[in-house]
Amino acid sequence: AQSVTQPDIHITVSEGASLELRCNYSYGATPYLFWYVQSPGQGLQLLLKYFSGDTLVQGIKGFEAEFKRSQSSFNLRKPSVHWSDAAEYFCAVGRNQAGTALIFGKGTTLSVSS
Amino acid sequence: EAQVTQNPRYLITVTGKKLTVTCSQNMNHEYMSWYRQDPGLGLRQIYYSMNVEVTDKGDVPEGYKVSRKEKRNFPLILESPSPNQTSLYFCASSLIPGLGRGNTQYFGPGTRLTVL
Repeated sequence: AQSVTQPDIHITVSEGASLELRCNYSYGATPYLFWYVQSPGQGLQLLLKYFSGDTLVQGIKGFEAEFKRSQSSFNLRKPSVHWSDAAEYFCAVGRNQAGTALIFGKGTTLSVSS
Repeated sequence: EAQVTQNPRYLITVTGKKLTVTCSQNMNHEYMSWYRQDPGLGLRQIYYSMNVEVTDKGDVPEGYKVSRKEKRNFPLILESPSPNQTSLYFCASSLIPGLGRGNTQYFGPGTRLTVL
């Protein structure tokens, strides 16, 4: 069965430091992978997505993610974190080849310290 | 402005009192879906709809109903709410079913439901 694991429940990063949020997936075929961000009291916003091709994907707000098939990972990175990046981040994989639903990880809460 | 709207945003109700959470999108999207978000569990899909009059169960459909009589609306119905349905609910839509290149799910702002 498809699944998504985000090993880190909560991460604290200093402002200006680099960030990496981990995501591991379980999926039999080529996955569709996503990262969403949820700011406090807000809905989900798509940061970036991977379907095929270049394994390094650029997203909004300066985020990028790298798909590594050998490690079943899709880690999210940002070179320099801003205080406004404090939020909850969700990794997701397409539920099936028809892509009619997403399976989400349980989320990683990012805190940014000054 | 392209958006997915949900109403109400907050609702406190009592066990057994039927309620409906509305979802509407103005993007002429074919596909719509409902998720619930619970601490430590992430988001789980309740129901989805591929188009008007076409709906199907997601991962956690028990205790919920949906209907899709119009393309823009996809209400979530709780016929007899119970406390275990206390959760944060999100509606989402996309232009077409499927997650192919260029097709993205857009999420509404969420509805926080408390069932006493």
